[in-house]
Amino acid sequence: KQEVTQIPAALSVPEGENLVLNCSFTDSAIYNLQWFRQDPGKGLTSLLLIQSSQREQTSGRLNASLDKSSGRSTLYIAASQPGDSATYLCAVRIYGQNFVFGPGTRLSVLP
Amino acid sequence: DTAVSQTPKYLVTQMGNDKSIKCEQNLGHDTMYWYKQDSKKFLKIMFSYNNKELIINETVPNRFSPKSPDKAHLNLHINSLELGDSAVYFCASSLEGDTKLWETQYFGPGTRLLVL
Repeated sequence: KQEVTQIPAALSVPEGENLVLNCSFTDSAIYNLQWFRQDPGKGLTSLLLIQSSQREQTSGRLNASLDKSSGRSTLYIAASQPGDSATYLCAVRIYGQNFVFGPGTRLSVLP
Repeated sequence: DTAVSQTPKYLVTQMGNDKSIKCEQNLGHDTMYWYKQDSKKFLKIMFSYNNKELIINETVPNRFSPKSPDKAHLNLHINSLELGDSAVYFCASSLEGDTKLWETQYFGPGTRLLVL
């Protein structure tokens, strides 16, 4: 059974810092991995999706990497801003089982 | 225009009641999903529908039943509500097809259900 974990559970950084969020999964047989952002009281917004054949994806200040063999993905946020404060969730897609989500990392960027 | 919408946004009800949550997407997607996010913020899939066919049911109690009148709607009916059903329920949609299993999911804003 696929399990997804995320470290750290919470992170507080001053504005301007570069930071890394970690996601680990137990079964490397995945179709893709997706990073989401969830703001308090809101739904999820997709940030980046990495296909199983890809190593990384970039969007603006965000960069996500995928290492299937080790069961790991990282989300790199450059020059963090207070508006980046949210919970970040990673999810892996397995055929026939859809997405399995991690518990999330709660990020606070202090002005 | 809202891509994925849910109604109601908040739902407070008594134990034992039957309630429904509606979901609509205007993205032309062919697959819709229901997720439950519990008090610990864990998000778990409940159902997905592709072209009116249920393709996933993750050991959800049969008190929960999805109903899809058309491709743009997937409603969630809950019978005999229990205290443990209190959670936030999210609807989502994506464009899949036979071989494309990699399309991103678009989420609705969530419905906060409180069972008293």
